[in-house]
Amino acid sequence: SQQGEEDPQALSIQEGENATMNCSYKTSINNLQWYRQNSGRGLVHLILIRSNEREKHSGRLRVTLDTSKKSSSLLITASRAADTASYFCVANQGGSEKLVFGKGMKLTVNP
Amino acid sequence: EAEVAQSPRYKITEKSQAVAFWCDPISGHATLYWYRQILGQGPELLVQFQDESVVDDSQLPKDRFSAERLKGVDSTLKIQPAELGDSAMYLCASSLISGNTIYFGEGSWLTVV
Repeated sequence: SQQGEEDPQALSIQEGENATMNCSYKTSINNLQWYRQNSGRGLVHLILIRSNEREKHSGRLRVTLDTSKKSSSLLITASRAADTASYFCVANQGGSEKLVFGKGMKLTVNP
Repeated sequence: EAEVAQSPRYKITEKSQAVAFWCDPISGHATLYWYRQILGQGPELLVQFQDESVVDDSQLPKDRFSAERLKGVDSTLKIQPAELGDSAMYLCASSLISGNTIYFGEGSWLTVV
């Protein structure tokens, strides 16, 4: 199993700005997933990108994956105060490997 | 939309007492997970079930924690006796296939006093 490492650990921006979060991992993967967690709530799945994909979009979210650099980024465009949350990336090696969450990245969007 | 159900949402217990959490995963999801999340940290996997079988419980403190999923559907996580350091949020989650998208419940907050 391996853990995704989010960077930066905290980010504070103004509403309307874009937010970019980065994730690095160590070994080859089957897919990489991004989750959001609002304070005191459960995690919500945002997007899954497979190892043979380079970019994926979902609404205001854009995820890229660079398997040669073992890294992924999550871009939130036109951020809103409601995007304030912790964001986690999870690297899935495939098979029966368990998914390991890192510490996450705390995003604060100021109105 | 189908959800993972957890109860209770909040629990306060005295140390050395027993506490139990219940989880009902999304119908049809064979894989069920229990995570523990301490404030400011990411979720830590305690136990993973595939149907009724445990596939990973390497991080479960087995001297005081137990988990079961008898009929391969709902699951119970028990702590006995509870210690102050067990104060955390306990998250249940499920997935159709291990390693794919995980759907989380809202969590059960435990405070041990």
